[in-house]
Amino acid sequence: DAGITQSPRHKVTETGTPVTLRCHQTENHRYMYWYRQDPGHGLRLIHYSYGVKDTDKGEVSDGYSVSRSKTEDFLLTLESATSSQTSVYFCAISESSAGGSNQPQHFGDGTRLSIL
Amino acid sequence: GNSVTQMEGPVTLSEEAFLTINCTYTATGYPSLFWYVQYPGEGLQLLLKATKADDKGSNKGFEATYRKETTSFHLEKGSVQVSDSAVYFCALSDRGGATNKLIFGTGTLLAVQP
Repeated sequence: DAGITQSPRHKVTETGTPVTLRCHQTENHRYMYWYRQDPGHGLRLIHYSYGVKDTDKGEVSDGYSVSRSKTEDFLLTLESATSSQTSVYFCAISESSAGGSNQPQHFGDGTRLSIL
Repeated sequence: GNSVTQMEGPVTLSEEAFLTINCTYTATGYPSLFWYVQYPGEGLQLLLKATKADDKGSNKGFEATYRKETTSFHLEKGSVQVSDSAVYFCALSDRGGATNKLIFGTGTLLAVQP
């Protein structure tokens, strides 16, 4: 299994509070991603990173920010959590593409976040 | 834009039955295609992949063939087991896209009964 650790695994918090989720990898992969999983939507990309301090938005980035100060860590922050952000959050990593062939992503075990 | 459409579940089968989960895609160019599996309480695991037309990905008895003419990547298994019960996701990635970003289908829940 790819060395990906998400923390915390579960969190319950209140509307309006800031929340930070952490993803830590031991694979030295270049790319890291944050997804949210909701019933009927599959997984949707929030933000991704293509290197230290290099990040970009995904399809559902509103209300979220990210930071990557080291290759191994990718943080997802909800500045002021809302109930619509209750979800399961997954981090993923992948190596650089080679020869035009896409590399697969490898996923962490997820963080279940409940915002009351 | 690119998209993936999967058959809706749940799919309920008896042990040793034949499995097909349909997946079709819309994409410009020639995407790479993936099937991921998610067991309860866990993250997604790569099941198989195919990177060009007519490629067949296979793993653990599961197979899927990249059909460009029908824009499909259906997942099949000849004889399912109770342990195959999980959610299956079809996904695509822009071939040659440097960031390996994935677009997922909504997932298909498979329940296998003994």
